[in-house]
Amino acid sequence: DAKTTQPTSMDCAEGRAANLPCNHSTISGNEYVYWYRQIHSQGPQYIIHGLKNNETNEMASLIITEDRKSSTLILPHATLRDTAVYYCIVRAGLNNDMRFGAGTRLTVKP
Amino acid sequence: NAGVMQNPRHLVRRRGQEARLRCSPMKGHSHVYWYRQLPEEGLKFMVYLQKENIIDESGMPKERFSAEFPKEGPSILRIQQVVRGDSAAYFCASSPIFGFGGDNEAFFGQGTRLTVV
Repeated sequence: DAKTTQPTSMDCAEGRAANLPCNHSTISGNEYVYWYRQIHSQGPQYIIHGLKNNETNEMASLIITEDRKSSTLILPHATLRDTAVYYCIVRAGLNNDMRFGAGTRLTVKP
Repeated sequence: NAGVMQNPRHLVRRRGQEARLRCSPMKGHSHVYWYRQLPEEGLKFMVYLQKENIIDESGMPKERFSAEFPKEGPSILRIQQVVRGDSAAYFCASSPIFGFGGDNEAFFGQGTRLTVV
């Protein structure tokens, strides 16, 4: 079962920052937070991951709270092509499995 | 997600036939995951394999479904005696030998769309 909760849907204006929250209150010390997105019916696309420090790459930023019970994915300048379902998952090193929740359907509007 | 190859991309089977879905992981990856996605639904974990071993098959239906990841060749998801309810998109993902704490990303293929008629 997924260990995360996310809002079902969100809207964002084109060019504005999209902030997608994720709660993972039962996360354990060795579990990483991963974000993926799925555009239409394509294969999920890796975005970013982190353990406890904030992370940034060319796609997005990941902000993890100090207690690690929640995180926020930030798309700094959303475009129409960022419309997708965004999944937040937690992964541990022991079995390395990945279980997805329902995700957040982000709609970027012109 | 470049590098994880799934084939066929589309597969049509009549009820009662067998479906074989193949997944070639990225080079150097020894972990494979299979997921099923019904229309308008999320990704449902099915099975997690390492080379020659099934690590977690808790998401696999008890009957008709099986998976393997042999020492040589792609991972195979096999569905025997397909029924209309098996119609879905099946995705696989691969990841390398994991480092400490699961610090490695998994990459997905583009999926196989199975249609049972």
